[in-house]
Amino acid sequence: QKEVEQNSGPLSVPEGAIASLNCTYSDRGSQSFFWYRQYSGKSPELIMSIYSNGDKEDGRFTAQLNKASQYVSLLIRDSQPSDSATYLCAVINSNYQLIWGAGTKLIIKP
Amino acid sequence: EPEVTQTPSHQVTQMGQEVILRCVPISNHLYFYWYRQILGQKVEFLVSFYNNEISEKSEIFDDQFSVERPDGSNFTLKIRSTKLEDSAMYFCASSERTSSTDTQYFGPGTRLTVL
Repeated sequence: QKEVEQNSGPLSVPEGAIASLNCTYSDRGSQSFFWYRQYSGKSPELIMSIYSNGDKEDGRFTAQLNKASQYVSLLIRDSQPSDSATYLCAVINSNYQLIWGAGTKLIIKP
Repeated sequence: EPEVTQTPSHQVTQMGQEVILRCVPISNHLYFYWYRQILGQKVEFLVSFYNNEISEKSEIFDDQFSVERPDGSNFTLKIRSTKLEDSAMYFCASSERTSSTDTQYFGPGTRLTVL
């Protein structure tokens, strides 16, 4: 079964701290990896995309990809209450389908 | 900034009826997608569409579903003979899909309620 797995949470982080979200995937042929943020009742909003091993930084967000370990993560620095949402990991698999994790609910406590 | 739009935002229908969900992808995008998210569950891929034909579809996308690009701007999802379990948020997405990127941008979704 080709899947994307995330811890459902909730992950509770104090305001100003670093939030670390993790995702593993099973299809070694996957080449494109995405983090989306979804507020309740809203559509997924793209946060980061990453295609190569290593880190990619964009403002307070850093995506990390390790294809050998089939692992992708998202770090959020200086967490704000507005970062509270469900974070979805999505992977384009070898069949060129975007496969989604179930999401991790992140709660930033003021 | 260009965005994907969807209409209606909320559709209520009786079981057994047909519904058409509409999407206007970003104008220079060539790949279009439909996804479904049942309340409290994960986003599920339904179908992708390119060059006026289906390029990939999931097991969910059976004969009850069809997609069409009736003109140069709209992309529709038709659900025939709706069932209670079809109640969900339906998201349309589009992408450029170049050799170096395939970022999909999502519309706001249509909430389908089947009574």
